[in-house]
Amino acid sequence: NAGVTQTPKFRILKIGQSMTLQCTQDMNHNYMYWYRQDPGMGLKLIYYSVGAGITDKGEVPNGYNVSRSTTEDFPLRLELAAPSQTSVYFCASSSRQGPNTGELFFGEGSRLTVL
Amino acid sequence: AQKITQTQPGMFVQEKEAVTLDCTYDTSDPSYGLFWYKQPSSGEMIFLIYQGSYDQQNATEGRYSLNFQKARKSANLVISASQLGDSAMYFCAMREGGGYQKVTFGIGTKLQVIP
Repeated sequence: NAGVTQTPKFRILKIGQSMTLQCTQDMNHNYMYWYRQDPGMGLKLIYYSVGAGITDKGEVPNGYNVSRSTTEDFPLRLELAAPSQTSVYFCASSSRQGPNTGELFFGEGSRLTVL
Repeated sequence: AQKITQTQPGMFVQEKEAVTLDCTYDTSDPSYGLFWYKQPSSGEMIFLIYQGSYDQQNATEGRYSLNFQKARKSANLVISASQLGDSAMYFCAMREGGGYQKVTFGIGTKLQVIP
């Protein structure tokens, strides 16, 4: 069972570079999320999506973009990377079905460092 | 305003004792769900327990129970018979918004179990 898969797991960027964090899920979940976790802190919602073609901003969307062209994929784009974007990024998905409605299934995280 | 408040940055508990981790939430949505996640030092997010706003009984999952006090807007996690493997960060989270499934997290509580 693959679940939620994020790539890459680690990446070092220079200031001003751009990159895309990939996220794919094989559970046919409608809902997908991107969070960032700064050292010693909780998770902050960057963007989320309720289905293909629909995305919305979370708490900290500045400096990021997302797209949701398919149910499975929800890539996160970082434009003009800044040191403030150094963080661990988690992708997650959820479905409204099941006993724990809305439970998030997480990827393993992507550690990004901007120097 | 904070949607999820966890006021205990760190907690210690003796092995085999019970411990309560506090969580209060803020929402005007009548339909919402509350979650607890565990994050060990390895970094993955592990789902522990879920409570829906319309659930009449407190949720339980093995050694985990959720003390849900709706009028006080609190959803405390109780871990019984603590084990060394329970040492981790614990995050309270809330899903709100009906069909939008937006999920926000608290800043977490670091639990350390003492032998």
